[in-house]
Amino acid sequence: QVQLVQSGSELKKPGASVKVSCKASGYTITTNAINWVRQAPGQGLEWMGWINTNTGNPTYAQGLTGRFVFSLDTSVNTAYLQISSLKAEDTAVYYCARVEYYDSSGYPNWLDSWGQGTLVTVSS
Amino acid sequence: DIQMTQSPSSVSASVGDRVTITCRASQSISTYLNWYQHKPGKAPNLLIYAASSLQSGVPSRFSGSGSGTDFTLTIGSLQPEDFATYYCQQSYITPQTFGQGTKVEIK
Repeated sequence: QVQLVQSGSELKKPGASVKVSCKASGYTITTNAINWVRQAPGQGLEWMGWINTNTGNPTYAQGLTGRFVFSLDTSVNTAYLQISSLKAEDTAVYYCARVEYYDSSGYPNWLDSWGQGTLVTVSS
Repeated sequence: DIQMTQSPSSVSASVGDRVTITCRASQSISTYLNWYQHKPGKAPNLLIYAASSLQSGVPSRFSGSGSGTDFTLTIGSLQPEDFATYYCQQSYITPQTFGQGTKVEIK
């Protein structure tokens, strides 16, 4: 069955970088886009953007600075989120999620399978 | 950006109650509206997609309706495992925004 497995929790100091992995199994990652969603402590879900897993082209939510990078390694069926110059406000649980589509137009679409989440804590 | 507004922000209910959550979009999104259930420490779980389609494996007590700007999620008879936070999400246009969430609590 379709499964997304994320890397484990991270504790980082301000200014450091972190790379979260999201390994897909049960399907080939290039067939469905991957979205990234985060939840800061006590807050709701925030859509961060998505990566076209066929072309590798990322789209970021406005307000996400250049510190966030979505990438892929199709040879290991894995998507990545890298955050550089970490700040305390980046502390959150980060989720990857697979996009499913109604048809080849790509719309409507929905997030049908999610990773278990990766807690990134930024603290000195 | 399209703003998604859920109401209420929280609701206290008993097992067996019927619970309705509403979600309003700041502009028309056709039926490009999804609902997720989220429990602490777990991944969000898709309940309803395209406004009214029940995701495979989701109990039939969950239902969704609406189009345009106004949508509802209904839990027909609340079960103990349904106590969670529920989010709507529009997939009409990027950025795909979520509502602020509705927490369903035990009365």
